[in-house]
Amino acid sequence: DVKVTQSSRYLVKRTGEKVFLECVQDMDHENMFWYRQDPGLGLRLIYFSYDVKMKEKGDIPEGYSVSREKKERFSLILESASTNQTSMYLCASSRYTGGAYGYTFGSGTRLTVV
Amino acid sequence: AQSVSQHNHHVILSEAASLELGCNYSYGGTVNLFWYVQYPGQHLQLLLKYFSGDPLVKGIKGFEAEFIKSKFSFNLRKPSVQWSDTAEYFCAVITGAGSYQLTFGKGTKLSVIP
Repeated sequence: DVKVTQSSRYLVKRTGEKVFLECVQDMDHENMFWYRQDPGLGLRLIYFSYDVKMKEKGDIPEGYSVSREKKERFSLILESASTNQTSMYLCASSRYTGGAYGYTFGSGTRLTVV
Repeated sequence: AQSVSQHNHHVILSEAASLELGCNYSYGGTVNLFWYVQYPGQHLQLLLKYFSGDPLVKGIKGFEAEFIKSKFSFNLRKPSVQWSDTAEYFCAVITGAGSYQLTFGKGTKLSVIP
């Protein structure tokens, strides 16, 4: 089974802190994604990466950055956390484009910014 | 940019009732379509997907969906729901074989009453 592992299930951070969310996949997938899930808004794409050191903005990149130094690891960075970034963050990975081989999602990190 | 609309925010059904969840997308070209399910406390799982061919697609756990190109729709159906189908359901679209971005609807929460 493909596994996408997110390092923390729950996080509580203070406003203004720099926050790192880590995601690791074990199936050599080229593509990795960070989504944010909020009630009534569904999943919204923050950033994605189609190769090491490559990144593309999604629909809501403001306030976030990403890092992909190794193929298996994709980090989401909140440079200065704010309360409106309290949310569930989901990481996903996929092989190739078009979704033909499916997307695999992690279990999520629930971040609370106080 | 493509978008996905799910018509119902919350659906409440009794066990054995039939289910139909609406999904419409806005994109004029080739699309790949998906339904994902998220059971309480669990990660997103793929229910079914449509790429080409027979517009009636069968998925896991007795779910099916019909792609109607003229209506830009991909509605999810199940003839008889069970309590264990209580979950949130997300419709999603990728616009073509060369695309990376999976765009989600806002989700429909299904509650099945025993």
